Amino acid sequence: SQQGEEDPQALSIQEGENATMNCSYKTSINNLQWYRQNSGRGLVHLILIRSNEREKHSGRLRVTLDTSKKSSSLLITASRAADTASYFCATDRTGTASKLTFGTGTRLQVTL
Amino acid sequence: GAVVSQHPSRVICKSGTSVKIECRSLDFQATTMFWYRQFPKKSLMLMATSNEGSKATYEQGVEKDKFLINHASLTLSTLTVTSAHPEDSSFYICSAREDRGQNSPLHFGNGTRLTVT
Repeated sequence: SQQGEEDPQALSIQEGENATMNCSYKTSINNLQWYRQNSGRGLVHLILIRSNEREKHSGRLRVTLDTSKKSSSLLITASRAADTASYFCATDRTGTASKLTFGTGTRLQVTL
Repeated sequence: GAVVSQHPSRVICKSGTSVKIECRSLDFQATTMFWYRQFPKKSLMLMATSNEGSKATYEQGVEKDKFLINHASLTLSTLTVTSAHPEDSSFYICSAREDRGQNSPLHFGNGTRLTVT
């Protein structure tokens, strides 16, 4: 079964608004990572949050992690049209030799 | 930053032929590389873990004789799709992790769009 389920599957917002994406997972993890994928391209690493961290910031990105609820959220503030992409969470599960398991992804569309 | 180069970006081949995809870490060493497959608008499915100097580890349901992986050096892994069929058409992506420990991120190639006619 899918380790990471993301919500929503698709999100359409206007430029300047904030975008929030959520990710739930099922097993214990070493860390959780968020990646971005432009259409037809590879993935770009955005941010990594360790299992003992609760919140992390990087520029306009804010990630939270709640290990008790096995969930994470990615907030993009003041979105831009260039943020249009698919966003994936990925979990580095304990005891899996650092293999990442990807969520189902959220397709974000930012319109002018 | 760390760069992973994947080649070719697109390939069209006829049914029954084999296709080789290369994945190179350009400015770092990677003892481990990963090969993923992605269907349209879907998530990435891990196919196998490529280990430098040893056999690849395949995920359940992935045919090792169909998808041959070779990791001959610390900077190069190759995936060969043998006797390709139209159902093998997909987007294949490789990734590598710098050998900096467990909490280092993956760096991805730009993917290879394979179309089997």
